Amino acid sequence: RKEVEQDPGPFNVPEGATVAFNCTYSNSASQSFFWYRQDCRKEPKLLMSVYSSGNEDGRFTAQLNRASQYISLLIRDSKLSDSATYLCAVPRNSGNTPLVFGKGTRLSVIA
Amino acid sequence: EAGVTQSPTHLIKTRGQQVTLRCSPISGHTSVYWYQQALGLGLQFLLWYDEGEERNRGNFPPRFSGRQFPNYSSELNVNALELEDSALYLCASSFKDRPNYGYTFGSGTRLTVV
Repeated sequence: RKEVEQDPGPFNVPEGATVAFNCTYSNSASQSFFWYRQDCRKEPKLLMSVYSSGNEDGRFTAQLNRASQYISLLIRDSKLSDSATYLCAVPRNSGNTPLVFGKGTRLSVIA
Repeated sequence: EAGVTQSPTHLIKTRGQQVTLRCSPISGHTSVYWYQQALGLGLQFLLWYDEGEERNRGNFPPRFSGRQFPNYSSELNVNALELEDSALYLCASSFKDRPNYGYTFGSGTRLTVV
């Protein structure tokens, strides 16, 4: 299994839809997980951290399944401005070690 | 609060030349990370510096090197540039002992090797 793996998409969804992305990881010792958003030709920006079973911030919910070694990101009531690439990141080992990033999942929200 | 700053923003170099990229972390952050994002390859980890020391290195050849200064700013040096070094080079910073906080990225340096 790759260190971090994501479905590249693209996911094309209408405004108002609910969309979910999954990310699988190989290192079972990882304690914290991250979702980043990257707009075209821009730097990644931290969207959410996950270090227990899950985290919710407005329309965004991140969940962690340690048994199956995946994290998910759910976006409800999609907006045009949600169009971006979503990257998941997992520490290579436990603790403060470099983050390994997935290649990202591209989302296009269509009017 | 100033974010992570990188310079230059864009650079064009010829194959075989050398380049130095610079990064200033967020005030209070002691860890600096360098990533390469080439087209279609995602973010690839290059180097991690903390408190002036190289802590970890990604799977890149030795012509990729760097250093961290006492003020925690950092340089990435790439020698003998190759065409495939063309990419967006991203610097990120974080607190050393707060792994749950994630990284903050700079806006990157876009390097084109011709």
